[in-house]
Amino acid sequence: EDKVVQSPLSLVVHEGDTVTLNCSYEVTNFRSLLWYKQEKKAPTFLFMLTSSGIEKKSGRLSSILDKKELFSILNITATQTGDSAVYLCAVEWGAQKLVFGQGTRLTINP
Amino acid sequence: DVKVTQSSRYLVKRTGEKVFLECVQDMDHENMFWYRQDPGLGLRLIYFSYDVKMKEKGDIPEGYSVSREKKERFSLILESASTNQTSMYLCASSASTSIREQFFGPGTRLTVL
Repeated sequence: EDKVVQSPLSLVVHEGDTVTLNCSYEVTNFRSLLWYKQEKKAPTFLFMLTSSGIEKKSGRLSSILDKKELFSILNITATQTGDSAVYLCAVEWGAQKLVFGQGTRLTINP
Repeated sequence: DVKVTQSSRYLVKRTGEKVFLECVQDMDHENMFWYRQDPGLGLRLIYFSYDVKMKEKGDIPEGYSVSREKKERFSLILESASTNQTSMYLCASSASTSIREQFFGPGTRLTVL
């Protein structure tokens, strides 16, 4: 059975800290791995990763994929209170079908 | 900007009622999806559609059906709502290109009493 597991499920840090969120997967016909940020409503897209070892970066956020060990990490440096959200990892398999992890709830305290 | 809209943000229905959740996207996307999101379980795919009048079951289709009569609209139907269908329902759409990002609507929080 295809599955995506995120860890930790919940994380509380202070503003300015650096955090690393983990996503491991067991999915047949892997095509890509996606990260989304979900605040109060719709998840918003962060990154799509298809190749191992190539870091994707957007401001203070970065992500990398390891297709051999079947995991990805999402790093956030110099965290701000606006980074508080649920971060979702999803793996695309087959034709555009996504399997989601449970999400990591990140809380940034001032 | 891609816009995916859902007909209601909050909905309260009674057990046994027929419930329609509507989703509309304005980017001419071929693919549309319905998910439900529950605490500790993440998003789970209910149904998806690659084209008009085409539908495929996702991971948890039991108790649901869908309709896609027009490209921009994808409806989720609960034929006879039950309390275990109380959940957040999210619609998404994507294009059939190399950019496979799914764009999500704001969600409908459905409560079945």
